[in-house]
Amino acid sequence: DAGVIQSPRHEVTEMGQEVTLRCKPISGHDYLFWYRQTMMRGLELLIYFNNNVPIDDSGMPEDRFSAKMPNASFSTLKIQPSEPRDSAVYFCASRGQGTGELFFGEGSRLTVL
Amino acid sequence: DAKTTQPPSMDCAEGRAANLPCNHSTISGNEYVYWYRQIHSQGPQYIIHGLKNNETNEMASLIITEDRKSSTLILPHATLRDTAVYYCIVRGGRGGSQGNLIFGKGTKLSVKP
Repeated sequence: DAGVIQSPRHEVTEMGQEVTLRCKPISGHDYLFWYRQTMMRGLELLIYFNNNVPIDDSGMPEDRFSAKMPNASFSTLKIQPSEPRDSAVYFCASRGQGTGELFFGEGSRLTVL
Repeated sequence: DAKTTQPPSMDCAEGRAANLPCNHSTISGNEYVYWYRQIHSQGPQYIIHGLKNNETNEMASLIITEDRKSSTLILPHATLRDTAVYYCIVRGGRGGSQGNLIFGKGTKLSVKP
């Protein structure tokens, strides 16, 4: 298995632009998580899905952030419009039922100028 | 969820055992102890988990006290590649699968030559 796959690995954009981050979870995993990591705040959970349905989005910073999971093998995290304070590494993770073992992707490093 | 307390940093000599403590004095009977680590610029990586008994795998050993209020992650022969931030997390549910994983600040382990 290729593991959790995220794209792009690096993105540099200007303030106000739309950013879309993508994630392919491990096949067969029922749960998908989006985390954000910064030096100041550490690793923060943004949202997680179970069977493609958003379960908890209380960590999503504001309306500029949205996440979708149209099917079991694909999820997106969108920021529109982006701001410099959104600069961070965004991680996607997945896991199966009945286990707390999360598998993380390599992350998407976002820089908003 | 039970809160965990870890020292912010630790040093270890290469080749020696690294013993990372975690306090979880408010843990409840059905909560599991999970350990993850994050090597610089990579996504967090699952290490090991346990409920009551001590556990060992190819990466590490987990020692849980009889009252379950604390645990120790042991890396038997630390190498430079073990330099990372180590997170101790407590989770309930079947196999520790309840909800999501919340990462604290962890312990930054520095393995020195």
